[in-house]
Amino acid sequence: GAVVSQHPSWVICKSGTSVKIECRSLDFQATTMFWYRQFPKQSLMLMATSNEGSKATYEQGVEKDKFLINHASLTLSTLTVTSAHPEDSSFYICSAPNPSGAGETQYFGPGTRLLVL
Amino acid sequence: SQKIEQNSEALNIQEGKTATLTCNYTNYSPAYLQWYRQDPGRGPVFLLLIRENEKEKRKERLKVTFDTTLKQSLFHITASQPADSATYLCALDFTGGGNKLTFGTGTQLKVEL
Repeated sequence: GAVVSQHPSWVICKSGTSVKIECRSLDFQATTMFWYRQFPKQSLMLMATSNEGSKATYEQGVEKDKFLINHASLTLSTLTVTSAHPEDSSFYICSAPNPSGAGETQYFGPGTRLLVL
Repeated sequence: SQKIEQNSEALNIQEGKTATLTCNYTNYSPAYLQWYRQDPGRGPVFLLLIRENEKEKRKERLKVTFDTTLKQSLFHITASQPADSATYLCALDFTGGGNKLTFGTGTQLKVEL
């Protein structure tokens, strides 16, 4: 079946640095991808919708200048956490819509664990 | 605003019993309601999808019901096994396929020997 991958699977960085997370659809194309954030013991919260060839759409309360999204191709979306701070430490998960229309509506990546020191 | 609630308390059951998890929502009914399993440190894994015009769906030991009048979905795991221990999330798709999902708070299930 279709697979969504994320890279890296985990990252540790110093406060103030920027971190880029990649989300790839491996055997299908995705004009739209979604980025979620999950804090410990909490559910997934949608951060933004990534649109190929156009600007991302951010959910209320999510700083677009801090969480830069680039959807440069039909198989790749990147999320860059700029000037990361400890409160940005979280589990970041991306998803892409199932193009077949059968089964689940979204394919999820395995997630990226970010720890900001 | 739309709220989605699941059993906030962890659910502990004995192996072989049926686990029943609840997902309640307010306001509008979704076009699709999905259930996912999530293990620690992993992304969600799809289990079942039910449409707004469907009452029940089954897959092996899993069963989902959807009552748009009660605004509730129930998720059942029959003959539960320790390997079923995980967090279960319900997710609502209000627009119908291929669009963003709104997740419930999740319920942690522990199946004991």
